[in-house]
Amino acid sequence: EAGVTQFPSHSVIEKGQTVTLRCDPISGHDNLYWYRRVMGKEIKFLLHFVKESKQDESGMPNNRFLAERTGGTYSTLKVQPAELEDSGVYFCASSHAGKGANVLTFGAGSRLTVL
Amino acid sequence: AQSVTQLGSHVSVSEGALVLLRCNYSSSVPPYLFWYVQYPNQGLQLLLKYTTGATLVKGINGFEAEFKKSETSFHLTKPSAHMSDAAEYFCAGNAGGTSYGKLTFGQGTILTVHP
Repeated sequence: EAGVTQFPSHSVIEKGQTVTLRCDPISGHDNLYWYRRVMGKEIKFLLHFVKESKQDESGMPNNRFLAERTGGTYSTLKVQPAELEDSGVYFCASSHAGKGANVLTFGAGSRLTVL
Repeated sequence: AQSVTQLGSHVSVSEGALVLLRCNYSSSVPPYLFWYVQYPNQGLQLLLKYTTGATLVKGINGFEAEFKKSETSFHLTKPSAHMSDAAEYFCAGNAGGTSYGKLTFGQGTILTVHP
């Protein structure tokens, strides 16, 4: 079974630019999560999709962040315009619905550097 | 609100020595608790989890953790460290219910194993 794939692995942009991160979850996983780790801090929840619907977006920092999951497959997280404090590693995770919902499989992360 | 605290951002042990990584949680409801490991350039991998039932949980690679409600702890142990155990370890928890994948993470502990 293929794992969770994230792209790009590393992105370096200037303040004010736009970046789009992509996550391909494990096939058949209805749940998709985004997390972020800012340098020196803990990994924090951003949002949760169930299929194509946003179940919980309470962790999204502000309206510069837009997440989508069209068709309930892959997801994108767009940051526009990027600020210095957006730098960090963005993790995507997925899980089955139902009983296996609390067993998350994480991707390797997308490291974002905003200069 | 739930919080997870890992004591010690860096732990160093000799090969063959006991590994002890500490995690404490605070929660107003019985938590689900997890330990994840991240090797360089890889995603977070689930080591073990506690949901209900037996308080001593065995995981992969010889790791185990014990849920102690009276101490609000979920420390991770391994009797004999191996060089390949060098990685960053994360304790995480959630309150269950519909928020299965909404994890609260500790700050992470980097484990170094020296010969």
